[in-house]
Amino acid sequence: DQQVKQNSPSLSVQEGRISILNCDYTNSMFDYFLWYKKYPAEGPTFLISISSIKDKNEDGRFTVFLNKSAKHLSLHIVPSQPGDSAVYFCAASADNQGGKLIFGQGTELSVKP
Amino acid sequence: DTGVSQDPRHKITKRGQNVTFRCDPISEHNRLYWYRQTLGQGPEFLTYFQNEAQLEKSRLLSDRFSAERPKGSFSTLEIQRTEQGDSAMYLCASSPTKGGDTQYFGPGTRLTVL
Repeated sequence: DQQVKQNSPSLSVQEGRISILNCDYTNSMFDYFLWYKKYPAEGPTFLISISSIKDKNEDGRFTVFLNKSAKHLSLHIVPSQPGDSAVYFCAASADNQGGKLIFGQGTELSVKP
Repeated sequence: DTGVSQDPRHKITKRGQNVTFRCDPISEHNRLYWYRQTLGQGPEFLTYFQNEAQLEKSRLLSDRFSAERPKGSFSTLEIQRTEQGDSAMYLCASSPTKGGDTQYFGPGTRLTVL
């Protein structure tokens, strides 16, 4: 039962262009959503989050959009930089479920110079 | 600014041996989580603590696994009689208060069972 899905295992983008990473979820009890970036042999690094009461959150080059009716969220990176190349995980939690994070399978982003 | 730390970073052991990992959370955080990540997958929840109380354990956590957080600060995860299927990255995360707050992860412990 995969409650959080990232259907694109990989994405390749040219430097300076927009990267759009997508994530779908099934559990309507999720009320907090996060994006993490991960390099090999390191722990996930927090990027940006959004509460279910919002539909957009921005932090510098990173914007997360939440569409609750579609149970879909996306991460936009503009402009993309080679240093953004990593695996990106979306995660979701429900306050009434202890806040444990349910992760997607990850999308490997490659930003080419 | 001290983040979440984990020790050791790498552990190689033979099947059947016991191993113990340590996690030191961010000092003011009272929630501590353990996750496991295998190749090509996202991290999977194992267990979490609110202060010293272990509030939930995943069905992934078999009887060979035990976790403690005796004084509500650092935590240990022990695996007894390791199996090759236990080979994974074990991640620890902490968050300040209740669910919904951002979890910050440590660097992980890479376990290889031969």
